[in-house]
Amino acid sequence: QQPVQSPQAVILREGEDAVINCSSSKALYSVHWYRQKHGEAPVFLMILLKGGEQKGHEKISASFNEKKQQSSLYLTASQLSYSGTYFCGTGAGGTSYGKLTFGQGTILTVHP
Amino acid sequence: DAGVTQSPTHLIKTRGQHVTLRCSPISGHKSVSWYQQVLGQGPQFIFQYYEKEERGRGNFPDRFSARQFPNYSSELNVNALLLGDSALYLCASSLGGLTYNEQFFGPGTRLTVL
Repeated sequence: QQPVQSPQAVILREGEDAVINCSSSKALYSVHWYRQKHGEAPVFLMILLKGGEQKGHEKISASFNEKKQQSSLYLTASQLSYSGTYFCGTGAGGTSYGKLTFGQGTILTVHP
Repeated sequence: DAGVTQSPTHLIKTRGQHVTLRCSPISGHKSVSWYQQVLGQGPQFIFQYYEKEERGRGNFPDRFSARQFPNYSSELNVNALLLGDSALYLCASSLGGLTYNEQFFGPGTRLTVL
């Protein structure tokens, strides 16, 4: 089942902060975050693993609550370049191997 | 280092035709996954291949097939194209074939079915 992202859209001014949430009804092994600009491919931002390990972008932070099957992406001191659609992809592990199930996306717009 | 490459960039086909999309993963990566992204939605999993074996298949009809070659590049084939197959087809490359491996997307192939 597809994870649910919230909010669906957010508008910021440069320098403001934002939080994007991703919630799943299934037990998760990993959460992958991507940013996609219009007409381009998704760009990898961060991966969070069950057990606490995380790897990714220096200026972006995220959390993963395994018990609640939720992840949040924290964008601080936003820049114009942060504009785009953010997707979370969830991995169930086990026989799902590398399959990721993506949310519907959160559109982030940063204005000067 | 070169990233994930896909060809062609754009493709226009008519209903009933067949299409082959190609993907070359990042050097050293052994897993390739294919995703379909319809406008306004998140990518949807089609296939995963790791070490030339199919490791996962999404909820797509048998018209969709794929394979991975000894050099780890991959092809996605779609037969009997339908209007609804119009989408951005993304290939994702990862070092291993498991969910704890980062996946890096290629630029995609934009398929339009008329």
